[in-house]
Amino acid sequence: EAGVTQFPSHSVIEKGQTVTLRCDPISGHDNLYWYRRVMGKEIKFLLHFVKESKQDESGMPNNRFLAERTGGTYSTLKVQPAELEDSGVYFCASSQDNPGKYTDTQYFGPGTRLTVL
Amino acid sequence: DQQVKQNSPSLSVQEGRISILNCDYTNSMFDYFLWYKKYPAEGPTFLISISSIKDKNEDGRFTVFLNKSAKHLSLHIVPSQPGDSAVYFCAASALGAQKLVFGQGTRLTINP
Repeated sequence: EAGVTQFPSHSVIEKGQTVTLRCDPISGHDNLYWYRRVMGKEIKFLLHFVKESKQDESGMPNNRFLAERTGGTYSTLKVQPAELEDSGVYFCASSQDNPGKYTDTQYFGPGTRLTVL
Repeated sequence: DQQVKQNSPSLSVQEGRISILNCDYTNSMFDYFLWYKKYPAEGPTFLISISSIKDKNEDGRFTVFLNKSAKHLSLHIVPSQPGDSAVYFCAASALGAQKLVFGQGTRLTINP
């Protein structure tokens, strides 16, 4: 079974430019999450999709970030315009939906390292 | 404010000995705790978890202990192996929420 995949693995852009990150979750996983790790600090939650709907977007830093999940499959995270502080590693994770259970195990992708110059 | 804290940025242990990684939390609403392991250039990999109704969970060489009154959990690895060298993240979630709140990670190095 294929794991969570992310594209690109690295992206270097200049301040003010636009970047779009893509995540393909594990097949059959309804839950998709975006997280970010900045400068070796903790991994911070950005948002959570259930199928194509945003369940929780409380971690999105500002309106320069736009996440979509078309058709409940892959997801994109667009940063427009990018700022220096957006640099970091963006992780995507997915999980099944098992009602009645504690937090479902989240499986992480390898991340996209974003550098804004 | 950081709700999950791992106060040791790094830990060095000799191969074959026990590794103990610690984690503290402040949010009383957390009821599920997890440990993830991360190798360079890879995403975090789930290791072991514990719910708040338990105080211990064991899986092979890995045991997680939860002390709710102290809001503290620890991960024990015994015996430690060179392949255990990685960054370990403690994470927590609150009842009804799916998002994970992570600590800053502890870099574990196992020396031969």
